[in-house]
Amino acid sequence: GAVVSQHPSWVICKSGTSVKIECRSLDFQATTMFWYRQFPKQSLMLMATSNEGSKATYEQGVEKDKFLINHASLTLSTLTVTSAHPEDSSFYICSALQDGADTQYFGPGTRLTVL
Amino acid sequence: RKEVEQDPGPFNVPEGATVAFNCTYSNSASQSFFWYRQDCRKEPKLLMSVYSSGNEDGRFTAQLNRASQYISLLIRDSKLSDSATYLCVVNMGGGTGGFKTIFGAGTRLFVKA
Repeated sequence: GAVVSQHPSWVICKSGTSVKIECRSLDFQATTMFWYRQFPKQSLMLMATSNEGSKATYEQGVEKDKFLINHASLTLSTLTVTSAHPEDSSFYICSALQDGADTQYFGPGTRLTVL
Repeated sequence: RKEVEQDPGPFNVPEGATVAFNCTYSNSASQSFFWYRQDCRKEPKLLMSVYSSGNEDGRFTAQLNRASQYISLLIRDSKLSDSATYLCVVNMGGGTGGFKTIFGAGTRLFVKA
């Protein structure tokens, strides 16, 4: 089956630093990837849609200058949380949409804790 | 009204029970439908796609009613390992509007011995 990896799986950082999270589709090409955030006991919230070779589309209320997305290849998208603050602590999950299909496959998630 | 609505539960059922989850969606232009399962502190995993003709995979049966904009998931002979949150997922779009996925808030299931 389709496999999506995410790295790192968890990260602890100091307030004010930047954190980069990688999302890779391992055995398929994904022109479109999605970045979600999930706070405890809440549902997944879509942050942005990442498209290979073009700018990401951000959901309302998500600051594009704070959450930088780069989708440089058909198998890799990165999310950089810039100047992280404690309120950015969350579970960040990416998913990849297999080209030609309508099913999303999720990465294992990255748990970010900002001190 | 939420675009995808689910009963949050929790559903507490004994092993061996049959349990049904329902989901409604508001956008009649929705194109594809899925049930995902999410365990605590883990990512969602695809359980099954949902079709108007019905879709069965072992103990799991999913059904779509486009006229009523309603999706269901039936779990027969519940196992302890079925305990999880079940997410109803609806895809919309493509074209100029772009592809969009809407997640329900999830229904929590606890299966007890």
